Amino acid sequence: GAVVSQHPSRVICKSGTSVKIECRSLDFQATTMFWYRQFPKQSLMLMATSNEGSKATYEQGVEKDKFLINHASLTLSTLTVTSAHPEDSSFYICSAWTGRPYGYTFGSGTRLTVV
Amino acid sequence: ILNVEQSPQSLHVQEGDSTNFTCSFPSSNFYALHWYRWETAKSPEALFVMTLNGDEKKKGRISATLNTKEGYSYLYIKGSQPEDSATYLCAFNAGNMLTFGGGTRLMVKP
Repeated sequence: GAVVSQHPSRVICKSGTSVKIECRSLDFQATTMFWYRQFPKQSLMLMATSNEGSKATYEQGVEKDKFLINHASLTLSTLTVTSAHPEDSSFYICSAWTGRPYGYTFGSGTRLTVV
Repeated sequence: ILNVEQSPQSLHVQEGDSTNFTCSFPSSNFYALHWYRWETAKSPEALFVMTLNGDEKKKGRISATLNTKEGYSYLYIKGSQPEDSATYLCAFNAGNMLTFGGGTRLMVKP
């Protein structure tokens, strides 16, 4: 149980275009979803926390107008990278709080390459 | 900014060797320490959630210990197998968010 499905696993887009990444909770209701980013040889860094039905909370240094997060339902959260630039190329992964004690479950990640 | 560090960054061992890694974290505002096993192209798999100072947890050949007063946790793998090859992540849980270490990449040679 407690599976998060993340799509796409890999995407290449042109500079200036937008890319949407989806995370779906398959067998539980994800009231809170976390979005992380990982640059090469670095740790997973929290970008933002989203709660269903409310605005996301962004970490310091993360541009909320560039990384649009929508958490309109209890089973779906999306991250849209708008006007992507090569420096946005990174690994993005979502995580959901399952509601069980200490229960965080992760998607499998999305490798974004902006050319 | 919370500082969570893992060492070593990578480790190559022979099949059958036992090995261990370290995760160091802040000793204040501790809520829990998580260990994950992460294979390429898969989701991180939760191994342990540790909450109490002195905790020791075991799952098969993998075990972990926790010292919250000095801010470290050890992960041990006994008799490593090629299928243990993965990146092992620790994450410090303060409140509702996780702060990750950089991971230890383990490669087990047959």
